[in-house]
Amino acid sequence: GESVGLHLPTLSVQEGDNSIINCAYSNSASDYFIWYKQESGKGPQFIIDIRSNMDKRQGQRVTVLLNKTVKHLSLQIAATQPGDSAVYFCAERRGGSYIPTFGRGTSLIVHP
Amino acid sequence: EAQVTQNPRYLITVTGKKLTVTCSQNMNHEYMSWYRQDPGLGLRQIYYSMNVEVTDKGDVPEGYKVSRKEKRNFPLILESPSPNQTSLYFCASSLSPGGAGNTIYFGEGSWLTVV
Repeated sequence: GESVGLHLPTLSVQEGDNSIINCAYSNSASDYFIWYKQESGKGPQFIIDIRSNMDKRQGQRVTVLLNKTVKHLSLQIAATQPGDSAVYFCAERRGGSYIPTFGRGTSLIVHP
Repeated sequence: EAQVTQNPRYLITVTGKKLTVTCSQNMNHEYMSWYRQDPGLGLRQIYYSMNVEVTDKGDVPEGYKVSRKEKRNFPLILESPSPNQTSLYFCASSLSPGGAGNTIYFGEGSWLTVV
């Protein structure tokens, strides 16, 4: 979920488990959401996106769920692998704005 | 290969000494932006540019300047750096500002330390 203070929330899982990373967004006018993965020493990389007229979208091993009622977004990673270890950010883009707003990130640690 | 290239990747500088972080993209993208990333705060947008000679402030523009004289380059200028500008900086570009998330490319980041 969202972080408080300076420390990222951390999710630790075992290799092969499913992971769920949560994100709360603030603006009900947001109409487009993106999940990014950031590995150590690299820039963010696009994972999956979803528009507000959808509540679920699936990619390869990843699923994004959107609950507009409670302004909540989640990223599910199936059969998590050590290579999935990274910081994951959600980003929202508000209707009429070109600027995405990033969440604070969640650190995913996958243990072999 | 599609690339967003930032330089320098790592820099330690002193308070008040002007510096420029360059950003160049080879995709003919119109939209470019700068972010800073600080622990626990995610990425915050500093400035963005919709096209050549068109720039605007993001969420945290204080202490920074930018220019967009040509489409491929979008340098970030710190006229008088201060320690609170110590951060990790990312440049990003996309074909259009409202484009899908998979059309936004980020550079590798520039670690800046101001002492």
